[in-house]
Amino acid sequence: RKEVEQDPGPFNVPEGATVAFNCTYSNSASQSFFWYRQDCRKEPKLLMSVYSSGNEDGRFTAQLNRASQYISLLIRDSKLSDSATYLCVVKVNSGYSTLTFGKGTMLLVSP
Amino acid sequence: GAGVSQSPSNKVTEKGKDVELRCDPISGHTALYWYRQSLGQGLEFLIYFQGNSAPDKSGLPSDRFSAERTGGSVSTLTIQRTQQEDSAVYLCASSLTVLAGGGAPDTQYFGPGTRLTVL
Repeated sequence: RKEVEQDPGPFNVPEGATVAFNCTYSNSASQSFFWYRQDCRKEPKLLMSVYSSGNEDGRFTAQLNRASQYISLLIRDSKLSDSATYLCVVKVNSGYSTLTFGKGTMLLVSP
Repeated sequence: GAGVSQSPSNKVTEKGKDVELRCDPISGHTALYWYRQSLGQGLEFLIYFQGNSAPDKSGLPSDRFSAERTGGSVSTLTIQRTQQEDSAVYLCASSLTVLAGGGAPDTQYFGPGTRLTVL
């Protein structure tokens, strides 16, 4: 089983739509979770961290379900500029651990 | 301020040649990471430097890969005797600090990457 799994998509949605992505992780010791955004042929950039209680940043809402070991990202009122690949990222807090990236979910927002 | 920079942006080489990829992290960032991303694949961790500690080389795919970080700043990733399967985008990232034993890491800031093509 892959450490971090995501549906690769693409998710094709019209402007204004609400879209949700899920991500599952295999290591129950994982402690920190993030969503990164990667535009085509660009480097990944942090979109938001995911907190246990869930958190919201404008049109973006992240949720964590530790019991089921999944993370979600909800985007409301999609914009054309939201078109990108969204990477689910997990960190196991054991010493100097590093981030494990999912392969990403591609989102295409059309006019 | 200046972000993470990498050079060259593109590198085309012939199979069997050695290549060097350079990363300049954000000034003051103590942690530096190398990843690679193949077409349609996720980011694959290669190596990690934290201050003056011994690097975590657990992600290097073979002994043809090595990396150095001089003076706690600039890092060079070297691939010897390149193979076609080494073709990928090599990404460098830096962060301000990583807490020993856990805790959320500071944000990793990525450079634009070096696109390596081995013919």
